Amino acid sequence: DAGVIQSPRHEVTEMGQEVTLRCKPISGHNSLFWYRQTMMRGLELLIYFNNNVPIDDSGMPEDRFSAKMPNASFSTLKIQPSEPRDSAVYFCASKSRENQPQHFGDGTRLSIL
Amino acid sequence: GEDVEQSLFLSVREGDSSVINCTYTDSSSTYLYWYKQEPGAGLQLLTYIFSNMDMKQDQRLTVLLNKKDKHLSLRIADTQTGDSAIYFCASWGGGGNKLTFGTGTQLKVEL
Repeated sequence: DAGVIQSPRHEVTEMGQEVTLRCKPISGHNSLFWYRQTMMRGLELLIYFNNNVPIDDSGMPEDRFSAKMPNASFSTLKIQPSEPRDSAVYFCASKSRENQPQHFGDGTRLSIL
Repeated sequence: GEDVEQSLFLSVREGDSSVINCTYTDSSSTYLYWYKQEPGAGLQLLTYIFSNMDMKQDQRLTVLLNKKDKHLSLRIADTQTGDSAIYFCASWGGGGNKLTFGTGTQLKVEL
């Protein structure tokens, strides 16, 4: 049973470049979450989707961040232009129903130079 | 909003029991979760408890819930070096889909 799949696992790029992180949720899950984890701020919820529709994006730090979910099996988180302070581990998680737990991917470790 | 707090560090000897504590503020929290994060990995769901339960046991793991004091604990029996990780407590309040996570407790198991 495949878990949440994220790609790439690691990304190193120069500031100003566009970065796209990808996520494939568990099949049958209808909620998807994007988190960011840093030493200073811990785990932060950026945005989540229900049935491919963005429900709450209040955690998205700036307009440089955008997220899409074009279908039930794929989501992207884009940063354009990227800045060094965006360096973090970005996690995607999915869940099946409201009272069910979230299942996390292994994350994308992003370094902006 | 909901606040979930944990101590930052815990160190135990191999073979001893570990107890990781968590407090939360939202009395309407319906489910409480424990996740484990090993270095370089995502958060792995360990166990969870529904708010109408006091205790849940799963092999070496025991979860205790004191709803009156809004206190949750995770006990790991016979702690092994492979248990070294960061443990996150999280609560779900029954509305919407958001989980509120604690800061995580780093468990270090010494030989």
